[in-house]
This record gives sequence, structure tokens and C-alpha cells, in this order.
Amino acid sequence: GEDVEQSLFLSVREGDSSVINCTYTDSSSTYLYWYKQEPGAGLQLLTYIFSNMDMKQDQRLTVLLNKKDKHLSLRIADTQTGDSAIYFCAEIHNDYKLSFGAGTTVTVRA
Amino acid sequence: EAGVAQSPRYKIIEKRQSVAFWCNPISGHATLYWYQQILGQGPKLLIQFQNNGVVDDSQLPKDRFSAERLKGVDSTLKIQPAKLEDSAVYLCASSFSIEETQYFGPGTRLLVL
Repeated sequence: GEDVEQSLFLSVREGDSSVINCTYTDSSSTYLYWYKQEPGAGLQLLTYIFSNMDMKQDQRLTVLLNKKDKHLSLRIADTQTGDSAIYFCAEIHNDYKLSFGAGTTVTVRA
Repeated sequence: EAGVAQSPRYKIIEKRQSVAFWCNPISGHATLYWYQQILGQGPKLLIQFQNNGVVDDSQLPKDRFSAERLKGVDSTLKIQPAKLEDSAVYLCASSFSIEETQYFGPGTRLLVL
């Protein structure tokens, strides 16, 4: 199976909060990342969290990490139409290689 | 600071033809990566360079894919001959060092007919 798993789709109403979930397998990962990919574009680093942290907040973004369950989530507050994109969770291994999930497509509806 | 640059942005070729992609990393970044992203999947690492040396090319299909970074800055990725299953987005990324965060370019979208 894949190292990193995410749900494939999320539909959210404009102004509501979005929560994207991810599970990973490498318990020795030191960092976990969230990247955003807009249509026709490359991957944009959104945020990352150190494995010794439980939570990180950056403006509208909140990352929660449950190391025991190897579960990572990204919450986007006050979701806007510009947040429509594919969101990738990624873990970094001891050899500093990144493993990505398949991506969660977030659709924001008016 | 300028980001990772890639060209061309789009390429359409017929199977068995050759194609080359170019990447210019962020200035000062020693580590350069090429990823393949098939539709509906996350990026998969093809090859990693540290300066002008190959660190990892274990996932590169060497019978048809080649990559070089001769002067430790720009890099080219070549496919010869292309197959239908090579249709994908080819992403270049760079980082200051192996341990640092990777930054991605806009990608080259390849369609093989």
C-alpha cells in the first residue's frame, strides 16, 4: 500500500472550515508537509510541522499532528474560492526522501 | 527570490519520439530533484542530484530516461523513446541541501499520443 493516504475529495461551502486528513507510515519522519497544487501549476509549500509538535497555526491554516496514530490534518478556516486546489500531504524519511499522498481535491462552492 | 524555472510548460509528442525538459533551480540550491506526477497521483521521485552528482536514481527507468546536471546548476531530463504511459507532469524541485525543504517548479505537462 501507499506510505501516505488521503481522502480523494472534499467539498466545502465558502466561509466554512475545511479539514483535510492524512495518515502516514514512517514513525521516524521528522517533518510532515502540506503542499497545494492549483490547476496547471506546480506544488506550492503551504506549511510543515516538526514531529515533536502537536499543532502549528499559520493565519487561516492549522496543522494537527497525532504521532501515536500517525495522523495529520490541515484545517483551513473561512475557506475561500481561491482555496480550491489539490492538497498533498507528504512525509520525509530518514534519507530525506519525500513520500506524497495521492492528493485531496478541495472544491469550494458558493 | 526567483523560484524554480522549468521549460517547456507543455509538450505533445507521438510515441517513440524523444523529448527533453529543462530545469533551473533556485539560486544557491545544491540539491535538485525530478519527479513524475501521473494524473490522480502524488509526485514520485525519479532522480536526485547533489551538485552535479547523482544521489539516487533507483526509480528512473534507465532504458529510456536520462538526466544530467553537468555544471551543478541547470538540469535536463530526457525521454527516448517515449511511451504512452510517460504522459504525466514532470516536476523539478530544489533545496538548499538534502535536509532542507524542497521547492517545486510549475512542471512540464507531457502528452504522448
